[in-house]
Amino acid sequence: DAGITQSPRYKITETGRQVTLMCHQTWSHSYMFWYRQDLGHGLRLIYYSAAADITDKGEVPDGYVVSRSKTENFPLTLESATRSQTSVYFCASRAGTGGEQYFGPGTRLTVT
Amino acid sequence: QKEVEQNSGPLSVPEGAIASLNCTYSDRVSQSFFWYRQYSGKSPELIMSIYSNGDKEDGRFTAQLNKASQYVSLLIRDSQPSDSATYLCAVNIFGGGADGLTFGKGTHLIIQP
Repeated sequence: DAGITQSPRYKITETGRQVTLMCHQTWSHSYMFWYRQDLGHGLRLIYYSAAADITDKGEVPDGYVVSRSKTENFPLTLESATRSQTSVYFCASRAGTGGEQYFGPGTRLTVT
Repeated sequence: QKEVEQNSGPLSVPEGAIASLNCTYSDRVSQSFFWYRQYSGKSPELIMSIYSNGDKEDGRFTAQLNKASQYVSLLIRDSQPSDSATYLCAVNIFGGGADGLTFGKGTHLIIQP
């Protein structure tokens, strides 16, 4: 049972490049989430999705784009990466409304 | 603005003692509450969830919720060195177009052998 996976686990990119972080879950959870974790800020919500083709902004959505064409996948795209987007990105999923969220292993992204 | 506050620590506790971690939240409509454990370089791992006032026990862990005081706590009994980690308090408000967890910045717990 793979649960929730993320790829790549580590990524170094240059300012201005487009980067896509992948998230895949095998639980058929309806809800999926993207968070970023930074020293001094903790974990902050970027985007979330309640179902396929339904997405909504979180606390820090600027500079990010998401899509959800299939229930199991929730990619996060940085259209033009900036140094301020250097962070650790976590994907999470949840079965139903208000319940427990489970996190993927994370992607450490460095923008040079 | 939703806020979740935790003492950053470090909180140092002798092995075998009770570790007490505290969290306050600002939004009175918060509906579900969670404690996550995070080891350095790893992802958050869910250890407790609590949805109603009172205590909830699971093994060595007890979560306590007081919605009137907007306070949630985590007790770890018989603390072990492997409990040394950062503990994240998280609250969820859903409905009205909002969802997702709001996290505190975490309490760094050190269990001294």
